[in-house]
Amino acid sequence: RKEVEQDPGPFNVPEGATVAFNCTYSNSASQSFFWYRQDCRKEPKLLMSVYSSGNEDGRFTAQLNRASQYISLLIRDSKLSDSATYLCVVNIPSNTGKLIFGQGTTLQVKP
Amino acid sequence: NAGVTQTPKFRVLKTGQSMTLLCAQDMNHEYMYWYRQDPGMGLRLIHYSVGEGTTAKGEVPDGYNVSRLKKQNFLLGLESAAPSQTSVYFCASSYRHTGTTYEQYFGPGTRLTVT
Repeated sequence: RKEVEQDPGPFNVPEGATVAFNCTYSNSASQSFFWYRQDCRKEPKLLMSVYSSGNEDGRFTAQLNRASQYISLLIRDSKLSDSATYLCVVNIPSNTGKLIFGQGTTLQVKP
Repeated sequence: NAGVTQTPKFRVLKTGQSMTLLCAQDMNHEYMYWYRQDPGMGLRLIHYSVGEGTTAKGEVPDGYNVSRLKKQNFLLGLESAAPSQTSVYFCASSYRHTGTTYEQYFGPGTRLTVT
C-alpha cells in the first residue's frame, strides 16, 4: 500500500461545479496534514493545512477522518483558475519535518 | 522576502559532467529539503537537513551529495551526471509551526536535462 494514495483523475468539471478529492494515508501516527496545489511546470504551493475539526478557507473545505485515515478537499463554485494538480501531503512522525506527498489529483475546470 | 530561491532555473549537462544546484531561503527556517519530480513518480526526497552543518539521506540519495554550511543555503551536487538524473529539482524549507506541524515552502525548481 502506498503511504499516501490519491485518485490521479483527471477530474473534468464545468465552471461553478462542486468537486471533491479524497486521499488515504497509511501511517496512523501521522499528525500533520496538508493540501498543496501545483500548477503545470511550477512548484507546489501550500493551499491549506487540515485540522481534526475540519477547516474552511473561502471556497475550499478540508476534512480529516483519523479513524479511517482519510483526508478530503471540497472545492465549491469551481473557477477556471482552480485548474491544477492537488497534492495530499502527510507528515512522517519524527523531528525531521519530512513530508510524504501523494502523486496528486488533476483538476480541469472548463468554461 | 524572496522566500526560497533556486539557481539555475535550467541546465543541460552531458553525461559525466558535474554541477551544483543552489537553494537559498531568507525565512530563517531550520529545515531544508531537496526533491526530484518525475512524471508519474511524484515528489521524491533526495537529501534533507535539520539544521546548519547537518545533512541526511532521503528516499533517493544515490548519485547526489549535499552541504549545509550556512543556515540559509542548501547545495545539491551531482558529481557525475547520468541521463537518469534528468528531472525537475525542487528545494523546500520549513519550520515547526505549532506542535508537530511542518509546512514546507518550495523554490521555483531547476529543470535539468542530462544528455
